[in-house]
Amino acid sequence: DVKVTQSSRYLVKRTGEKVFLECVQDMDHENMFWYRQDPGLGLRLIYFSYDVKMKEKGDIPEGYSVSREKKERFSLILESASTNQTSMYLCASSFPGRSSGNTIYFGEGSWLTVV
Amino acid sequence: SQQGEEDPQALSIQEGENATMNCSYKTSINNLQWYRQNSGRGLVHLILIRSNEREKHSGRLRVTLDTSKKSSSLLITASRAADTASYFCATDLIQGAQKLVFGQGTRLTINP
Repeated sequence: DVKVTQSSRYLVKRTGEKVFLECVQDMDHENMFWYRQDPGLGLRLIYFSYDVKMKEKGDIPEGYSVSREKKERFSLILESASTNQTSMYLCASSFPGRSSGNTIYFGEGSWLTVV
Repeated sequence: SQQGEEDPQALSIQEGENATMNCSYKTSINNLQWYRQNSGRGLVHLILIRSNEREKHSGRLRVTLDTSKKSSSLLITASRAADTASYFCATDLIQGAQKLVFGQGTRLTINP
């Protein structure tokens, strides 16, 4: 089974703190994604990566950065956490290429509260 | 703007009944996928239908796709309490990067 593991399930951070959310996948997927999920807004893509050291902005990249130094690991960084970044963060991965259908495999989510 | 929009936003039915959820989208797609999310958990892929397919089945799930209307429906037959979850459609757009665009989801509650 594909496994996407998010390191922290629940976090509480203070405003202004630097926050790292870590994600690891074990299926040698090239593509990795970070989404945030908020009530009434669904899933919104923050950043994605097609390969090591490559990243592209999604729909809501402001206030976030990412790092992909190894193929299996994709980190989401909140440089200076703010209360409006309180949310559930979902990491995901997939094989490249539309022949695979681009099915996405999700982690269990990280609930971040910024106080 | 949202590419995929599910309808209804919430649905409550009795166990054993069929549940139908709809998804509309705006631009041309390669495929459309349905995902399920149990409360507070990650999303799990259910079924994929390609743009050249009209109907697909998987167990108690039936998905239809009408590209002329830019819409899809997910039917869950003989619902069970364990089907209680949120269901999302996601579209893989023809133009642009290989990333899925998710709708806001339908919250399905199955009453025992």
